[in-house]
Amino acid sequence: GESVGLHLPTLSVQEGDNSIINCAYSNSASDYFIWYKQESGKGPQFIIDIRSNMDKRQGQRVTVLLNKTVKHLSLQIAATQPGDSAVYFCAENMISQFYFGTGTSLTVIP
Amino acid sequence: NAGVMQNPRHLVRRRGQEARLRCSPMKGHSHVYWYRQLPEEGLKFMVYLQKENIIDESGMPKERFSAEFPKEGPSILRIQQVVRGDSAAYFCASSFRVGYEQYFGPGTRLTVT
Repeated sequence: GESVGLHLPTLSVQEGDNSIINCAYSNSASDYFIWYKQESGKGPQFIIDIRSNMDKRQGQRVTVLLNKTVKHLSLQIAATQPGDSAVYFCAENMISQFYFGTGTSLTVIP
Repeated sequence: NAGVMQNPRHLVRRRGQEARLRCSPMKGHSHVYWYRQLPEEGLKFMVYLQKENIIDESGMPKERFSAEFPKEGPSILRIQQVVRGDSAAYFCASSFRVGYEQYFGPGTRLTVT
């Protein structure tokens, strides 16, 4: 099956700093990617998405970068806040399925 | 505009009983997906349904698990004769179109005792 992996399982950042969460995907035919945030006891929350015809997309305080050459995706969070503490997943779309990585746990230190 | 709704939020079943999990998609969404999540793990796709049709059930165990999305009412994920290994969080997501963003419900946490 497809695999979506993350380089780091945990990440701690100081409040106010920028955070970068990385993700490697395996299938070069994947054409759509989403970043989700999941807080403890809750369902995943959509953050931002990007299609394979783009290499960068910006949202409010978040930016997603897509490097198709090395099959790498990253999520950048600017001015990280305590409310950003959560597990972040990237998801890779192939036809009707999304494949999720294990996730990176982000902890923001006040 | 209400989001994806799931109930119950918590479900406790004894081994051998049946579990029924319900999911109401977002208004206007006709595509429903079920995922399972074990502690400290990512979400694993189980099944994708449209109204009255199962489109892709490649991630769902062949035995004891079934899913439906009737013309009227919520989507149902049914687990018969539950075993301890079925204990997990089950999430439902919906989308307006396949290949577009999926929005998740709060999940049902199933505990099998």
